[in-house]
Amino acid sequence: EAGVTQSPTHLIKTRGQQATLRCSPISGHTSVYWYQQALGLGLQFLLWYDEGEERNRGNFPPRFSGRQFPNYSSELNVNALELEDSALYLCASSSRTSGRGADTQYFGPGTRLTVL
Amino acid sequence: AQSVSQHNHHVILSEAASLELGCNYSYGGTVNLFWYVQYPGQHLQLLLKYFSGDPLVKGIKGFEAEFIKSKFSFNLRKPSVQWSDTAEYFCAVTFSGGYQKVTFGTGTKLQVIP
Repeated sequence: EAGVTQSPTHLIKTRGQQATLRCSPISGHTSVYWYQQALGLGLQFLLWYDEGEERNRGNFPPRFSGRQFPNYSSELNVNALELEDSALYLCASSSRTSGRGADTQYFGPGTRLTVL
Repeated sequence: AQSVSQHNHHVILSEAASLELGCNYSYGGTVNLFWYVQYPGQHLQLLLKYFSGDPLVKGIKGFEAEFIKSKFSFNLRKPSVQWSDTAEYFCAVTFSGGYQKVTFGTGTKLQVIP
């Protein structure tokens, strides 16, 4: 079974530019999550998409946005890039929740974004 | 606000030593608990999880964790570590009503010396 895939592996941008990161979930998973792993800050929750809709959002400014496509893949867009946006961006996927709580999230390898 | 604390940031052990990594959370309601591991150059992998039932959970590679509700803790243990356990370990918690938002601890880097 193929795992969560992310592209590109590395992305280098300059301040003020826009970055687009992509994620393909495990087949059969409908939920996609985005996290930022910045040096010294651990993993911070960014966004959760399920069935094409944004379900929850972390404490990030609106210039972090995304979407989920009908095939459940997802894009994360970061506008007006700032130096502190440099981080590893992780995508995770899970199957539809049972209502009990969070199903297990499976992570991709991440996209390393560097803002110069 | 709900939070997750991992007090050990960097742990160095010799092979065959016993391991216990602390994880505490601040929330009095229902939680789901996870430990993830990130080996050097690899992505996050699930070690074990607790949703309900037996508070002693066994995971892969000989790891186990115990949920102690009264202490708001979910410590990770392994009786005898190996050099291949060198990795960063993350405790993660979802809080009831958190709508799938997983809150991660800051991680513990484990270095096992042969």
